[in-house]
Amino acid sequence: GAVVSQHPSWVICKSGTSVKIECRSLDFQATTMFWYRQFPKQSLMLMATSNEGSKATYEQGVEKDKFLINHASLTLSTLTVTSAHPEDSSFYICSADRTSGRGGTQYFGPGTRLTVL
Amino acid sequence: LAKTTQPISMDSYEGQEVNITCSHNNIATNDYITWYQQFPSQGPRFIIQGYKTKVTNEVASLFIPADRKSSTLSLPRVSLSDTAVYYCLVGDGAAGNKLTFGGGTRVLVKP
Repeated sequence: GAVVSQHPSWVICKSGTSVKIECRSLDFQATTMFWYRQFPKQSLMLMATSNEGSKATYEQGVEKDKFLINHASLTLSTLTVTSAHPEDSSFYICSADRTSGRGGTQYFGPGTRLTVL
Repeated sequence: LAKTTQPISMDSYEGQEVNITCSHNNIATNDYITWYQQFPSQGPRFIIQGYKTKVTNEVASLFIPADRKSSTLSLPRVSLSDTAVYYCLVGDGAAGNKLTFGGGTRVLVKP
């Protein structure tokens, strides 16, 4: 149980285009999902918290108009990188919060490698 | 959010036990301790979570002293496939509670 998928697993796009990444919790519902970015040899950096049915909460320094997040259902959150530039090339990882009786645990997707040419 | 401190890297050999200690001096009463494993170009994988004392599952054990200011992840009899980065995180486990990743510990298992 607690499987999270991401699609696509990798994408290459031209500078100036937009890219959408999907994050799905396959066997549980998640009111909250998170989006992270990871550069080579570095740790995960939280970008935003995605809440079902409400606006996402962005971390300081993350442009909300550039990284559009939509959490339309309890099993799907999407991240759209708008007008992508080479500096947006990174590994994007989502997680879904699964709450049990004693608290929540985040389960992570496999990640999406974005390369902007 | 409680900050965590872990060793940057550790080397071990196949068949040995690996113990990674994480310091979290500012852990709050409601905080849980969670460990994740990450392979290159993959998302982190949940290993184990605990609140106090000892927790054991099929892959690891987690030791938490009474003051909860540190925790130790124990990986028994590691194999080459256990080479990865291991992250210790602290959070109150409430729904929607965000986690802050530290640098993690890069474990290299040698033959």
